[in-house]
Amino acid sequence: KNQVEQSPQSLIILEGKNCTLQCNYTVSPFSNLRWYKQDTGRGPVSLTIMTFSENTKSNGRYTATLDADTKQSSLHITASQLSDSASYICVVREDSNYQLIWGAGTKLIIKP
Amino acid sequence: EAGVAQSPRYKIIEKRQSVAFWCNPISGHATLYWYQQILGQGPKLLIQFQNNGVVDDSQLPKDRFSAERLKGVDSTLKIQPAKLEDSAVYLCASSLDWGEQYFGPGTRLTVT
Repeated sequence: KNQVEQSPQSLIILEGKNCTLQCNYTVSPFSNLRWYKQDTGRGPVSLTIMTFSENTKSNGRYTATLDADTKQSSLHITASQLSDSASYICVVREDSNYQLIWGAGTKLIIKP
Repeated sequence: EAGVAQSPRYKIIEKRQSVAFWCNPISGHATLYWYQQILGQGPKLLIQFQNNGVVDDSQLPKDRFSAERLKGVDSTLKIQPAKLEDSAVYLCASSLDWGEQYFGPGTRLTVT
């Protein structure tokens, strides 16, 4: 069964610290993987997208990695800011019918 | 460029009542999606339109949910009659064919 699992479920860190969020998937065949940021009360906004051949992609202080062999991805946030407080959702696109498989998200809280 | 518009932003109804949500996608986007997001979970696709045709409605509870996109632009999602478990945020997204999805702010529905 195609699944996307994220960990941790929630995370609290101090402003200025780094953190890493994890995403494991069993989606096959794989097309691409996206990380979305969802602020409270807003729709998700795409941070990065990676295909099978890409193993790292950055967007400012956000760096996503992909290991297609182990079917794992991570999102690293550097020098966190209060505005990084949000849910971060990992989404994998299946290559046969283009279906998107959504993770449940990691709720990140940045404390001053 | 204007984003995806949704209305209303909030709605509170009693169970067994009916409710309708409206979505106006980004101009020129042929593909429109309706998602249901229950608190603490990732979005679940309810229905996907390509222009005014339905591409995927496999997870739409058709006994109570209906959606239309008559002229291939705006769309409405209706629930009739509502149940307590329908309490969620309903997100609309649009994309150019199978590309990146852009989300609206969502409609938060509370069924009492």
